[in-house]
This record gives sequence, structure tokens and C-alpha cells, in this order.
Amino acid sequence: DQQVKQNSPSLSVQEGRISILNCDYTNSMFDYFLWYKKYPAEGPTFLISISSIKDKNEDGRFTVFLNKSAKHLSLHIVPSQPGDSAVYFCAASSMYSGGGADGLTFGKGTHLIIQP
Amino acid sequence: EAGVAQSPRYKIIEKRQSVAFWCNPISGHATLYWYQQILGQGPKLLIQFQNNGVVDDSQLPKDRFSAERLKGVDSTLKIQPAKLEDSAVYLCASVGGGISEAFFGQGTRLTVV
Repeated sequence: DQQVKQNSPSLSVQEGRISILNCDYTNSMFDYFLWYKKYPAEGPTFLISISSIKDKNEDGRFTVFLNKSAKHLSLHIVPSQPGDSAVYFCAASSMYSGGGADGLTFGKGTHLIIQP
Repeated sequence: EAGVAQSPRYKIIEKRQSVAFWCNPISGHATLYWYQQILGQGPKLLIQFQNNGVVDDSQLPKDRFSAERLKGVDSTLKIQPAKLEDSAVYLCASVGGGISEAFFGQGTRLTVV
């Protein structure tokens, strides 16, 4: 039972254009969402996050949109650059009663390829 | 600020052997996680520590996997005996507090032959 789904295993985008990565979740208890970027032989690196009380968060070229009613979030990268080529993981978490966060639940990842 | 340190980077063992991984989280981070990432999948949570106490180990195969964080700082994850399906990257991550992003180490790639 996959609670976080990334249905596109790979995505190819031309340099300079917009990259849009999508993620769907099923667990309505999730209230914090993150995107991680991963290069081969390295651990995931945090990219951007969004709380469930917001519907948009922007950081430079990266913007995350959250649609709670659809249980859907997306990551937009504008403009796309060659260094953006990596695997992108969507992850979700929820607060537990002790005030900390549950461990992250990850999707399977989308391999983004930026073509020159 | 030093990141999350893990060792070894790579390990190859035969099935039924035992193996241990070590993690040193970012200084001051109370929460520590171990994740297992099988090729082609996203990381899967194995265990979560808050200081030296276990918060969640519901997905840890306790018949063969064990983990400890005795002094609330570094942690070890052990597999005994290993099976072929344990071949994966084992990632350690830490969080400073509350709900925020987790910082990951480079991982240990385990191959069981």
C-alpha cells in the first residue's frame, strides 16, 4: 500500500524550460511535504518543503504547490538547468502527539533528465 | 556544520553472515532515523530514535535487524543473519527538532551474495 506515489519514473526536459514533477498521497494525516534530490552514490538532499496550511512555497527556481483536496503536490523548476538532472523524491510526514515528526514516507522517485 | 556521517560506504557479505553499520548524526540533533533503500524504490523507514529512545520500529524486521542509540548520539544498525533481499543502501538521517527537513548521510551500500 503506497501512501506516496510518483507515477512518472522518468521525465526529460529541455534546458531552460519548466520541469514539473508530480506526487500524489493517500494518507490524510500527512501535514508536511518535502522534496529531496538525489545524485548517484549520494544521500538525498533536501530541496524544498511545504506545510499543509499553505498551498505554495517558493525558493529561487523551485516552487512547490499543494492541493490538499486532491491530495496532490507538484514541484516546478524554472528554468531547468543541466545540474538539475537527478532523481527527485517526494516525501510526507505528520506530527505525532509528542510534538515531533514521524519518519518520512517516500515515493519511488522521478528521474529528471535535462537535455541541452 | 558537519553533516551526517556513516560508515562503511560499501560492504559485501555472504548470506547468513552478520553486518553492522554506524551513524553519527549532526551535533545536537535529537531525532535519528535509519532507512532502507532498495534499488528502484524510495527510502523506507526502519526505525526512529528520539534521543536514546525508540519512537517507531514498526517496519524493522526484528527477527534479524536490531538498532541502538545508547548515549543518544551515534547509532548502530545490525543485521544478523543477512539474506539476499537485504541488499540495499542503508541511510541514516537526523532532524534537529519539531517538524523539519531530515538531513541524510551518504549511506552504506550493502551487497549480500
